[in-house]
Amino acid sequence: GDSVTQMEGPVTLSEEAFLTINCTYTATGYPSLFWYVQYPGEGLQLLLKATKADDKGSNKGFEATYRKETTSFHLEKGSVQVSDSAVYFCALDQTGANNLFFGTGTRLTVIP
Amino acid sequence: NAGVMQNPRHLVRRRGQEARLRCSPMKGHSHVYWYRQLPEEGLKFMVYLQKENIIDESGMPKERFSAEFPKEGPSILRIQQVVRGDSAAYFCASSPMGLEGDEQFFGPGTRLTVL
Repeated sequence: GDSVTQMEGPVTLSEEAFLTINCTYTATGYPSLFWYVQYPGEGLQLLLKATKADDKGSNKGFEATYRKETTSFHLEKGSVQVSDSAVYFCALDQTGANNLFFGTGTRLTVIP
Repeated sequence: NAGVMQNPRHLVRRRGQEARLRCSPMKGHSHVYWYRQLPEEGLKFMVYLQKENIIDESGMPKERFSAEFPKEGPSILRIQQVVRGDSAAYFCASSPMGLEGDEQFFGPGTRLTVL
């Protein structure tokens, strides 16, 4: 069945450090891939998405590339800020279904 | 354009009571999804509804849980005879078309605590 494996947290970085959160997936067919962010006490917000192989999603300085050959969708940001502290979820939409399958989330804390 | 609204934000119930969680989708959205997030875990899909129809309930527990999305009014997730293991955050999301790859817009969630 479909699955999403995310880098385990928590991750603590200093401000302006480089961020990578790994995400790999297994899926039948060609799912769309997503990164959602959850700030404390809030619901999830879509950060970026990619719908086909080699697509790059980007938003707010974050980016991720849909790599079919390595079944990965790693999230990167060149210089993190304190305001980026949140939980990040990698997700895919299961082929033929209308629901999202989430990874377990990675908690990021950025310290000044 | 208001986002997805959920209420209540926090709900406390004793074991054996009923919990009713409400979700109003974004304006113009007719597709609603419910997810459950257990502590320190990712979200797990529960059910997908369109107006007056349950499309996919493959993630719903077979007993005590039910969901509806009537023609008028919000979608309701109902948990009967709650147990401590039901304590979680329940998130509702909506989308306009229900197509693969569509963005789902999430509400702020209802945090259910069962004493």
